[in-house]
Amino acid sequence: KAGVTQTPRYLIKTRGQQVTLSCSPISGHRSVSWYQQTPGQGLQFLFEYFSETQRNKGNFPGRFSGRQFSNSRSEMNVSTLELGDSALYLCASTPGYWGNTIYFGEGSWLTVV
Amino acid sequence: EDQVTQSPEALRLQEGESSSLNCSYTVSGLRGLFWYRQDPGKGPEFLFTLYSAGEEKEKERLKATLTKKESFLHITAPKPEDSATYLCAVKETSGSRLTFGEGTQLTVNP
Repeated sequence: KAGVTQTPRYLIKTRGQQVTLSCSPISGHRSVSWYQQTPGQGLQFLFEYFSETQRNKGNFPGRFSGRQFSNSRSEMNVSTLELGDSALYLCASTPGYWGNTIYFGEGSWLTVV
Repeated sequence: EDQVTQSPEALRLQEGESSSLNCSYTVSGLRGLFWYRQDPGKGPEFLFTLYSAGEEKEKERLKATLTKKESFLHITAPKPEDSATYLCAVKETSGSRLTFGEGTQLTVNP
């Protein structure tokens, strides 16, 4: 059974640009959440989607947005990139809304220069 | 606001030297305490979910326990391949919003 798949794995962007990251959850999983991981702040929750609806949002500026499609695949977008957005962005999936077992992908490494 | 504190920040063990990692938490209502293992450059690997005080779960050389205020991850006779960062996280609501601790970086020397 394939795990959580994130693309791209690595990318470099320039300040002011925007970026879109993609996540395919484990087959049959309907809930997808996103996290940002940095050396200084650790792992921080961005947002969560279930059945194409955002159910929860973390304390990040509006430049960070996401969506979920009918096949449960999800994308997150960061607009007007800042140097501080450089991080590992992790996607996680869980079978239902209750989130008893939450599996992470390998992440997308974003470097903003 | 949920708070999760892990100790120690770093731990060096000799192969075969058992020890425990600590995760202290403050939540108004615990819906789950999660343990993950993370290798450098990779995403967190799910290990356990614990729900209520007194619960224990085991996987190979790892055993996780839960009290009302903290969780312990016991590592019995560790091997070098157990070297990784171990992350603890709590969930207060339904859904999959986790609050993570800073992690314990474990190094097991042969």
